[in-house]
Amino acid sequence: QKEVEQDPGPLSVPEGAIVSLNCTYSNSAFQYFMWYRQYSRKGPELLMYTYSSGNKEDGRFTAQVDKSSKYISLFIRDSQPSDSATYLCAMRKAAGNKLTFGGGTRVLVKP
Amino acid sequence: DTAVSQTPKYLVTQMGNDKSIKCEQNLGHDTMYWYKQDSKKFLKIMFSYNNKELIINETVPNRFSPKSPDKAHLNLHINSLELGDSAVYFCASSQDLLGGDEQYFGPGTRLTVT
Repeated sequence: QKEVEQDPGPLSVPEGAIVSLNCTYSNSAFQYFMWYRQYSRKGPELLMYTYSSGNKEDGRFTAQVDKSSKYISLFIRDSQPSDSATYLCAMRKAAGNKLTFGGGTRVLVKP
Repeated sequence: DTAVSQTPKYLVTQMGNDKSIKCEQNLGHDTMYWYKQDSKKFLKIMFSYNNKELIINETVPNRFSPKSPDKAHLNLHINSLELGDSAVYFCASSQDLLGGDEQYFGPGTRLTVT
């Protein structure tokens, strides 16, 4: 079993819908959480990071962390076709800078 | 102006060959990384260097040898290539060890071993 689990999708939604993505993890030592977006044939780019339980908003994006359930989520409001990409969650322990990534969820926003 | 660049972008080679991938960052970052992304999109850290010093060395076959001639460059040499080495290899950098959550990735090198 992988340390970080993520549904690979694809998740297909109509334009304007809310996209809901999540990751579960097994190691309670993970304290810091990130979401990266990866377009096809490109490298990942950081979308959001959060260091505490609760919600963090940035424009159309909301990241949610529930450490007690070992569950993190990313919501994309008013989705656009340009949001079509693979979304990777990543997390790390308090010490060190090694990121552990989920396998990514492929999202397709249809016009 | 590309922040993290890798060469080559594509590499097709036969089993048993030796190949190198080069990475350069012009962000002035201190820390650089090599990742392997397999066909199922899992991105796994291989190595991390900080100011030319090896920081992370995951369980990677010793056929893989990273080299950092200066803090702006991190190259990856692979000896005796095997079919299972086929993957996309990403180089990344971060400002420093503490800024490791925000990593800037290169475009990737797609390695195919036949």
